Amino acid sequence: ETGVTQTPRHLVMGMTNKKSLKCEQHLGHNAMYWYKQSAKKPLELMFVYNFKEQTENNSVPSRFSPECPNSSHLFLHLHTLQPEDSALYLCASSQDRGRGGGRDTQYFGPGTRLTVL
Amino acid sequence: DAKTTQPPSMDCAEGRAANLPCNHSTISGNEYVYWYRQIHSQGPQYIIHGLKNNETNEMASLIITEDRKSSTLILPHATLRDTAVYYCIVRPATTSGTYKYIFGTGTRLKVLA
Repeated sequence: ETGVTQTPRHLVMGMTNKKSLKCEQHLGHNAMYWYKQSAKKPLELMFVYNFKEQTENNSVPSRFSPECPNSSHLFLHLHTLQPEDSALYLCASSQDRGRGGGRDTQYFGPGTRLTVL
Repeated sequence: DAKTTQPPSMDCAEGRAANLPCNHSTISGNEYVYWYRQIHSQGPQYIIHGLKNNETNEMASLIITEDRKSSTLILPHATLRDTAVYYCIVRPATTSGTYKYIFGTGTRLKVLA
């Protein structure tokens, strides 16, 4: 257990569905991340939130909509997805200590395996 | 683009030391080297990180060359449960101050019985 939980662990949805992925961290961190891992591809960073503010959007299509209501929770709202969006979606958190330095090891959740039909 | 180079795969006999190399020849002076591993379809697991000095924890040892252009992760007594993809990451800074990891394709380590 890393202190980062994700629900659901598996999700199957049609292209017209709307669903949400949830991530919760119990580590007292202030930064949270969404990553996507497609089959046989490296992890790709999607979004970064720091103190509830989005600081990175890695050119992610608008059918993926993140929400960070507080530093402990992160959501990824999904709508009108495509089959190629099928992937493992990973959440991570870290303690951001700013540009002055300090370590901010990212701790990952177990992921949500998403299948889009 | 990833700033590290790792061999795509390695085998190691159970009980022996597994030495996983990583090349990061363009590393900057204030960049850390991080190692994670990912067991099939699970989230990446943090292993160890370092800046200049060699580091050791309960999972592994990290040896960084003096010029910092390469490093080696050592699992001293590999077990079957160490079979995983191992990622070496150099951590760059972003304008926001939140560090962004760039994952490459890693090394697929297979521990053989």
